[in-house]
Amino acid sequence: EEQLVESGGGLVKPGGSLRLSCAASGFTFSTHSMNWVRQAPGRGLEWVSSISAGSTYVYSADSVKGRFTISRDNAKNSLFLQMNSLRVEDTAVYYCVRRSRAVLGTTVLEYWHFDLWGRGTLVTVSS
Amino acid sequence: NFMLAQPHSVSESPGRTVTISCTRSSGDIGSNNVQWYQQRPGSAPTTVIYEDNERPSGVPDRFSGSIDSSSNSASLTISGLKTEDEADYYCQSYDSSNRWVFGGGTKLTVL
Repeated sequence: EEQLVESGGGLVKPGGSLRLSCAASGFTFSTHSMNWVRQAPGRGLEWVSSISAGSTYVYSADSVKGRFTISRDNAKNSLFLQMNSLRVEDTAVYYCVRRSRAVLGTTVLEYWHFDLWGRGTLVTVSS
Repeated sequence: NFMLAQPHSVSESPGRTVTISCTRSSGDIGSNNVQWYQQRPGSAPTTVIYEDNERPSGVPDRFSGSIDSSSNSASLTISGLKTEDEADYYCQSYDSSNRWVFGGGTKLTVL
């Protein structure tokens, strides 16, 4: 079964740091671009950051640029999000999310939607 | 950068048809395809429509997506509503800087 399991959430004070992890299983992790998407309590979805399969390309939302860093370890089937200088407004459930792709012969197509989500890990930033 | 605007909530009766809109604030809605996600309370989102009007396997054909250039919007239509369709629905697209953009979400009530 394809699965993403997040960990590392918790309570942290404003200005503090936290590192989220996501363990992937049941699929070839090293071939997929991965993302973090967050959802503040009672609010909508917000894309946070993405990383290509080989870590060559990294993109982040303006709201976290310079504070959050996405990374991955393909040998350990793991995705990470290092969060520094945390703010109250960073309080949210953080989802580890896989970008959809398809292989047609020798051609790899990356779609612009997410096809696998973890259950999320809650990060609370409060004094 | 652009934004995607959705109605905050919609409601309809079982068996009826409902349409949820997603309006792009700037740029052509057709220039970047649109996806739709369903999120039931306490669960992670799942895709119900991708690439404007494609359904993932397992999603019933009661769900359909479309694009309307005249209103610069995308729409999710759910026909034959069931109580199990009650959920939050989010549209999503992407910009030229490889960033994903979500709409604010629409709460669908089936009453």
